[in-house]
Parts: sequence; C-alpha cells; structure tokens
Amino acid sequence: QTVVTQEPSFSVSPGGTVTLTCGLSSGSVSTSNYPSWYQQTPGQTPRALIYNTNTRSSGVPDRFSGSILGNKAALTITGAQADDESDYYCLLYMGSGNWVFGGGTKLTVL
Amino acid sequence: QVQLVQSGAEVKQPGASVKVSCKASGYTFTGYHLHWVRQVPGQGLEWMGWIHPNSGDTNYAQKFRGRVTMTRDRSINTAYMELTSLTSDDTAVFYCARDAGTSYDFWGQGALVTVSS
Repeated sequence: QTVVTQEPSFSVSPGGTVTLTCGLSSGSVSTSNYPSWYQQTPGQTPRALIYNTNTRSSGVPDRFSGSILGNKAALTITGAQADDESDYYCLLYMGSGNWVFGGGTKLTVL
Repeated sequence: QVQLVQSGAEVKQPGASVKVSCKASGYTFTGYHLHWVRQVPGQGLEWMGWIHPNSGDTNYAQKFRGRVTMTRDRSINTAYMELTSLTSDDTAVFYCARDAGTSYDFWGQGALVTVSS
C-alpha cells in the first residue's frame, strides 16, 4: 500500500521561508492527486490552507502557497510567524474514491 | 452558516461498538460528501472513508473495511459512523468533514472515543 510521506519535523526562524513536502512511497505526486494541506494546532480542529495543489482556502494569508516541486506536493510559508507553529498535514487523492493523509509535519518557529 | 455538530465523548469497553453522529446545518446536506477522519491522541490524521448523503454510497479505507459502517438519515441531516470490535488502539478523536470537492472545508468539532476496560 502506498504511503504518503512528510517530514516529521521542521524548524524555521521568524520571518523565514520554509517548504514542507508531501510525497509518495511509490511514484510521484501530481495535480491528479488534488493535493490539499491542513493546519492543526494542539487541541484544535484542522483547517484547510490549500486545495487543488495551489488554491488558497478562504481567509488564508497569501504567505501560504502550494505547488508541485519535482515529484512532490509542497507547501511554502513565506515570512513565517509565531502562530504558524502547528502540525501540517497533506491529503492526497489516490483514485477509486480513496484518500490518504500524510503523517504530518510538526513545524517549529524559533 | 455551515456547521457540523458531532455527538459527545464516549467510553466503550474493548469489543464493543461505537456510533458517532454528525449533524449538518447551513447547507444542503445531500449536496456534499461527508468524510470521517480518525486521530489517535498525539498522532496524525487518518482517512476512514466517506458517505454521500444523497445516495448513501460509501467508500471505506481498506484498513477499516469490515469494521466501519457509515450511514445517514436525510430527514434529520445527520450522518453516522459506526465502528465495531473496538480495541484500545481505537481510542481517538473522530471527525466528520465536508468534502468541498477536493478538500475539507468544514469540520465537526470531533468526538473523543475512549476504549478502556
């Protein structure tokens, strides 16, 4: 079974730029996987940041952007802020009505 | 405004079943798939499956097939997720989420299910 891979953790300085990635244990991520990204802070419900690879959800600041980089989906945060410190999950469509979350990336801003 | 309101926390014994509800309001219930997501404490999000409230069609993650059943009651705009043969590994928060097409735009508040003897 294909596994969706994410960096377990990442660190960025305030004001810095960080790119989190979302890959497949076998094969490449493409727009046909409809990558979406979710932010979750401890004790809170996840919220959607990006869908359809690169479309920002309503109310999401433009410092969040999505793309395909090489064979992975990517979430880039430009000008990181302290309240961006969260867990980030990607979600991929695997076909036949099946979806899979990545394991999540814990982002630290310090 | 769109809302998904889930049932409350439950404590179940190993081997039992749990049925979590998700009541939708503020939109046409039958117009959107509803997905269910599990999150074990301290761990990541896990896709469980979806139901289309109009047709009742379902699709379950392979991991949960045979143990999960998703249903809906259109008369009260409510979806349900039942998980059987619970073990301590099923202690988790279960979320319902509305599928906007290619992402989840609204989430329920989550329902904590604790499996303990």
